[in-house]
Amino acid sequence: DTAVSQTPKYLVTQMGNDKSIKCEQNLGHDTMYWYKQDSKKFLKIMFSYNNKELIINETVPNRFSPKSPDKAHLNLHINSLELGDSAVYFCASSPGVAGGDTQYFGPGTRLTVL
Amino acid sequence: SQQGEEDPQALSIQEGENATMNCSYKTSINNLQWYRQNSGRGLVHLILIRSNEREKHSGRLRVTLDTSKKSSSLLITASRAADTASYFCATDPSGGYQKVTFGIGTKLQVIP
Repeated sequence: DTAVSQTPKYLVTQMGNDKSIKCEQNLGHDTMYWYKQDSKKFLKIMFSYNNKELIINETVPNRFSPKSPDKAHLNLHINSLELGDSAVYFCASSPGVAGGDTQYFGPGTRLTVL
Repeated sequence: SQQGEEDPQALSIQEGENATMNCSYKTSINNLQWYRQNSGRGLVHLILIRSNEREKHSGRLRVTLDTSKKSSSLLITASRAADTASYFCATDPSGGYQKVTFGIGTKLQVIP
């Protein structure tokens, strides 16, 4: 069974479109994250939710809107996609908010904006 | 600037050799973790070392932490082709809740 799953795995779309990426974890964790990994492999946190509440919101354009319907799901909606949004987006989860908690990552969603 | 920076950025060795990767960071930390990322996959946790620990082992992995130098090293002994991956350090800054920050990674290639 996949612990942290993301859909879709690949997403190719035109500039200006709106798209969503979904994430689900079946580990019973309280905290979920969205990361963006650019072409140089730099992994940057975007958002973090703990029990459906937003706890980290990095300097991310407000075109990106996370939504957590329950603590097992954290979706990412992106409006008006731009070329610079092309990257791999990873969802992750951890038991709590402690920095020493192991984070469990999904397989990633490769977003290509044309 | 990034909290964790791995060095070297790329490393190529022969199977059976040892691989050493370093991570430097800027602020004091509660702990430091190492993760592995295989090509096209998510990160996988390898090992955590706390700020009051100096060395930790897990199988063929050995991690050291020098808080005075704000650096850590990951040693993989007797490397295998399957160890080919990118390795990231992640630091948990001390002083209240702050986000864990990942470095830019070391890309390791183990040649069979």
